[in-house]
Amino acid sequence: QVQLQESGPGLVTPSGTLSLTCAVSGGSISSSNWWMWVRQPPGKGLEYIGEVFHNGRTNYNPSLKSRVTMSVDKSKNQFSLNLNSVTAADTAVYYCGRIYCDSDRCHYYFDYWGQGTLVTVSS
Amino acid sequence: QTVVTQEPSFSVSPGGTVTLTCGLTSGSVSTSHSPSWYQQTPGQAPRTLIYNTNTRSSGVPDRFSGSILGNKAALTITGAQADDESDYYCVLYFTSGIYVFGGGTKLTVL
Repeated sequence: QVQLQESGPGLVTPSGTLSLTCAVSGGSISSSNWWMWVRQPPGKGLEYIGEVFHNGRTNYNPSLKSRVTMSVDKSKNQFSLNLNSVTAADTAVYYCGRIYCDSDRCHYYFDYWGQGTLVTVSS
Repeated sequence: QTVVTQEPSFSVSPGGTVTLTCGLTSGSVSTSHSPSWYQQTPGQAPRTLIYNTNTRSSGVPDRFSGSILGNKAALTITGAQADDESDYYCVLYFTSGIYVFGGGTKLTVL
């Protein structure tokens, strides 16, 4: 059973950089799957941020692309999210998760989710 | 910009059937969008219900089913139960690794 756990600062100052890590257990980050980040502002809906593959390939939501960087640390079996130039609008619960892909193809859905971590942008 | 549409809210009686839909402001939803559906209760992470249009995720009761109805993806709950009261989100896949969430439907069971 794959488990994901987000970690990182719960408070970020405006114009700073939000940095989160997602630790993967019960499976290898170097598998055929992609790994994703989704966020949810308080009281609002879910927003896809982007995805990363173990070889460093990434795809980002066009609306966030200029501020987002995702990476993988194979030695620690974890992946990370950096979002720079943050404002109060970036305050949200951030979820990491897995996009299921088998040896043939990706199935384009999120099969495992972390529990989420609240990040507040405030001075 | 692509916008994925869902009903903001819906109500169903216990034991009743409800169909939630997931559409596009421009164009039709098809199986090539690999529609998936997620259930979320307050304070919890989303739970995967349906993927690839109509495949139930492991452990999901068969009262949940997915389909394409006309030009939209649909999630049907047959025999609604009190604990189905949740927010439901659809996700559509577009090319180049882009996924778009619908705005979510708040389902009330009463």
